[in-house]
Amino acid sequence: DTGVSQNPRHKITKRGQNVTFRCDPISEHNRLYWYRQTLGQGPEFLTYFQNEAQLEKSRLLSDRFSAERPKGSFSTLEIQRTEQGDSAMYLCASSLLFGQSGPFQYFGPGTRLTVT
Amino acid sequence: AQKITQTQPGMFVQEKEAVTLDCTYDTSDPSYGLFWYKQPSSGEMIFLIYQGSYDQQNATEGRYSLNFQKARKSANLVISASQLGDSAMYFCAMRAGETSGSRLTFGEGTQLTVNP
Repeated sequence: DTGVSQNPRHKITKRGQNVTFRCDPISEHNRLYWYRQTLGQGPEFLTYFQNEAQLEKSRLLSDRFSAERPKGSFSTLEIQRTEQGDSAMYLCASSLLFGQSGPFQYFGPGTRLTVT
Repeated sequence: AQKITQTQPGMFVQEKEAVTLDCTYDTSDPSYGLFWYKQPSSGEMIFLIYQGSYDQQNATEGRYSLNFQKARKSANLVISASQLGDSAMYFCAMRAGETSGSRLTFGEGTQLTVNP
């Protein structure tokens, strides 16, 4: 069990550029979540997948944001035409739907995005 | 809709003393789960403790215990024998439904500082 990993850990981009983040969940976890955390706030839910199906999206996920989990394993989160307001920590988490470890969400280290 | 309130932006405690971090919640769902996470300056969210809404006893995990008062809708975290390494941001979170792996709703967090 290597835990949830996220790449890159830090990303600095200019306003208007596109960025893509990757999340690799714990291998047997079938649910994967994306959250966004701005400075001084708690994480806010963006979207989640069960296997490859995207089951729920937050209103925070504007049409500039898209997430995929093509084979039910890793996931990518893309932000198009970045804005300064997109600067935040993007957290990925994974969980089992059912199981002995319970439906607990385990988080990755996050990707910190800075839009200049 | 679910809501988590953490009214203590910052707390200070002396090393080896106990500290209580407050959390109140609001939900209309009869079945829910309550979580506490620790976020050190490195950014990773570390799962600490979980309480299900139907659990009869308060959850405990080592030095962490959750004081669950259902009628008051509170789920305070108690850390006994504080250590310098406990200095971090602490988030209370809730998930509606005990067995489903749906979104977490987080509070704004409490910054705990342990003084030597």
